[in-house]
Amino acid sequence: GAVVSQHPSRVICKSGTSVKIECRSLDFQATTMFWYRQFPKQSLMLMATSNEGSKATYEQGVEKDKFLINHASLTLSTLTVTSAHPEDSSFYICSARSGHLEAFFGQGTRLTVV
Amino acid sequence: QQQVKQSPQSLIVQKGGISIINCAYENTAFDYFPWYQQFPGKGPALLIAIRPDVSEKKEGRFTISFNKSAKQFSLHIMDSQPGDSATYFCAASFLNQAGTALIFGKGTTLSVSS
Repeated sequence: GAVVSQHPSRVICKSGTSVKIECRSLDFQATTMFWYRQFPKQSLMLMATSNEGSKATYEQGVEKDKFLINHASLTLSTLTVTSAHPEDSSFYICSARSGHLEAFFGQGTRLTVV
Repeated sequence: QQQVKQSPQSLIVQKGGISIINCAYENTAFDYFPWYQQFPGKGPALLIAIRPDVSEKKEGRFTISFNKSAKQFSLHIMDSQPGDSATYFCAASFLNQAGTALIFGKGTTLSVSS
């Protein structure tokens, strides 16, 4: 299957700082990228959907000013957690689709805010 | 209508046994039903998927059974091995609609005892 690379795999940041997570489709052009959040022993919760070159669509309850998503190219999307707090600590996972094809997932990023 | 209900929440199977996980959906417009396997600290990996025009799909030890009239689908893992111990998620999507996200079940934690 296609490869989606997510970086970093783990990050620890201080409360109040911002952290950026990158998601890259390595061998296909991702017309749509998705960002999920996963708490321990729970399912993946969709945060937002982004199409290349347009603003992301956020799910209800997700603060767009806190979770900034940029999808500037067909191979790269970034999620920036701004002014991070301990409650933002979670596992963040990106996914990418090309048109009508199936979605592929990144390896996830474990964010710990101290 | 967008929910995918998954059961059981956890499952313990002896090595060599059959693991069965079930999912049910409401929206008959879904046209793609994948199963994902996730190990701790990793992103979900596509295991096997089925379209609604097929009643069964087999790949190695993994089989999806699909019952369109009952709006149910299940994953069968034959000859379960300790290495199969992971969390399994069923999902549903609109593959014919570009840019739509997967809707996940709540997950099943499988433990295969040796």
